Amino acid sequence: KAGVTQTPRYLIKTRGQQVTLSCSPISGHRSVSWYQQTPGQGLQFLFEYFSETQRNKGNFPGRFSGRQFSNSRSEMNVSTLELGDSALYLCASSLAPGQSDTQYFGPGTRLTVL
Amino acid sequence: AQSVTQPDIHITVSEGASLELRCNYSYGATPYLFWYVQSPGQGLQLLLKYFSGDTLVQGIKGFEAEFKRSQSSFNLRKPSVHWSDAAEYFCAVVNFGNEKLTFGTGTRLTIIP
Repeated sequence: KAGVTQTPRYLIKTRGQQVTLSCSPISGHRSVSWYQQTPGQGLQFLFEYFSETQRNKGNFPGRFSGRQFSNSRSEMNVSTLELGDSALYLCASSLAPGQSDTQYFGPGTRLTVL
Repeated sequence: AQSVTQPDIHITVSEGASLELRCNYSYGATPYLFWYVQSPGQGLQLLLKYFSGDTLVQGIKGFEAEFKRSQSSFNLRKPSVHWSDAAEYFCAVVNFGNEKLTFGTGTRLTIIP
């Protein structure tokens, strides 16, 4: 069974641009969560999607948004990029919400904002 | 809200030596605790988890962790480390407010020959 896949793996953008990251969950997994990892703040929860609906959201500004499609694939979007948005963005999938013990992480997308 | 603290930012251990990585949690009731490992350029891999019951938990790759309520700790141990164990290790707790994981700041493990 294929794992969680994230595309692209690396991305370089400039301040003010916007970016879209993609996550394909493990087959059969319907819940997708996004995390941001930075050296200063560590790993922080962004949001979770289930059945195309956002269930939970972390403490991030409105520039960070996401969505989930009917096939459970998810995208996250960051608008008006800032230097501080440079981070590793990790996606995790699970069978259903609240199942952190069955959550599998993807390799991440490394975003660099110049 | 629940939180975890990993007091050691970086630990260096000789190959074949024993390892203990510290994790302290703050939560009044029994927390749901996890240990993850992240190799360079990779995502997070679950090593083990504790929800209830036996306080000594066995995980993958020869790791184990012990839940100690009296010390609010959930330390990760391995009797003999291998060079391939070099990675960053994260302790995490489920935040019952939003059912999501709250991670510690991580401990980077370096293995020397």
